[in-house]
Amino acid sequence: DVKVTQSSRYLVKRTGEKVFLECVQDMDHENMFWYRQDPGLGLRLIYFSYDVKMKEKGDIPEGYSVSREKKERFSLILESASTNQTSMYLCATGTVGGNTEAFFGQGTRLTVV
Amino acid sequence: DAKTTQPTSMDCAEGRAANLPCNHSTISGNEYVYWYRQIHSQGPQYIIHGLKNNETNEMASLIITEDRKSSTLILPHATLRDTAVYYCIVRVWGGGATNKLIFGTGTLLAVQP
Repeated sequence: DVKVTQSSRYLVKRTGEKVFLECVQDMDHENMFWYRQDPGLGLRLIYFSYDVKMKEKGDIPEGYSVSREKKERFSLILESASTNQTSMYLCATGTVGGNTEAFFGQGTRLTVV
Repeated sequence: DAKTTQPTSMDCAEGRAANLPCNHSTISGNEYVYWYRQIHSQGPQYIIHGLKNNETNEMASLIITEDRKSSTLILPHATLRDTAVYYCIVRVWGGGATNKLIFGTGTLLAVQP
């Protein structure tokens, strides 16, 4: 079975802190995605990566950065956390070519106080 | 922006078929239709996908209109455990930066006892 593991299920951070959310996958997938999910807004794409060191902005990249130094790991970074970044964060992975699905982690609920 | 339109919510009686519609009038010839669902507090789960032909698996059936501008996900015998938000997505699994995976706000299906 595909495993997409997010480092924390719940996280509480203070305003202004630098926050790292980690995602690790064991399927050798080229693509990795970070989303945030807020009530009434669905899943919104923050960033995605289609290869090591390659990244593309999603719909809401402001206030976030990402890092993909190794194929299996994709990190989301909040340089200076703010209360409006309190949200559920979801990581997903997928391969390229053909008609294959994406796989999601269980999510990290981040609260910034 | 999401390229699909779905009703915000739907109800279905337990044991009956649930038919969830999706409009994707701007779909391109090489874009697949994917369906995911998200049960409360979990990451989204893949259900089914298709290009032109109708598809069926152990979870659901996908009916795509001949012009491909809309589709319907069918859960043949809905159970209470099928209560979830259902997302319809169109995408092409190409290479590089084409691999964006954009979700909309989905349809909340409530299965009633």
